Amino acid sequence: NAGVTQTPKFQVLKTGQSMTLQCAQDMNHEYMSWYRQDPGMGLRLIHYSVGAGITDQGEVPNGYNVSRSTTEDFPLRLLSAAPSQTSVYFCASSSGRWATGVGKLFFGSGTQLSVL
Amino acid sequence: GENVEQHPSTLSVQEGDSAVIKCTYSDSASNYFPWYKQELGKRPQLIIDIRSNVGEKKDQRIAVTLNKTAKHFSLHITETQPEDSAVYFCAASPGLGGTASKLTFGTGTRLQVTL
Repeated sequence: NAGVTQTPKFQVLKTGQSMTLQCAQDMNHEYMSWYRQDPGMGLRLIHYSVGAGITDQGEVPNGYNVSRSTTEDFPLRLLSAAPSQTSVYFCASSSGRWATGVGKLFFGSGTQLSVL
Repeated sequence: GENVEQHPSTLSVQEGDSAVIKCTYSDSASNYFPWYKQELGKRPQLIIDIRSNVGEKKDQRIAVTLNKTAKHFSLHITETQPEDSAVYFCAASPGLGGTASKLTFGTGTRLQVTL
């Protein structure tokens, strides 16, 4: 049981490049989300999904796309990287049922992204 | 949307002393309030949580209190130890249904426990 797995751990991009951050969970969680963490700003929600085929925007969605074709996977796509997207990105998942821990987020190990 | 404010941003205490971190939230519909601890270079991990039908919850040296009327909640750590040094985040959930896990986080408190 690996929990939430994120890849890559580190990435350097040039402005304008695109890339996909991968996230997979093996806990059969309905809810998955992406956060970015910047110094002094806490964790800000980018996009989230309440189940396969369903996604919605969070607080800071601009410049990012997501899709959820399976329960397990929730990739985050940077369309045209900008220096303002330099950050640490965390994927997280949670059960969708109160009885099994809705709201209790399990985080991946993070991706440190630098955009030059 | 929900807005969560957290204070202080940094906190230094001596080993054995208590530490208190406070958060306020704006959305009266929020009903789930977790706290996460993030050690340097690691992922955030849930340490304690409280739901709106409970005023206080305790787990060994940590406790959380909730005042729904005033829309604020606090984390209390007693008998602090060096391993308590980390960044602590409070969060609030908008409530029921599929978005119950859509957490809004505070900006974090860096706690340093000195010997």
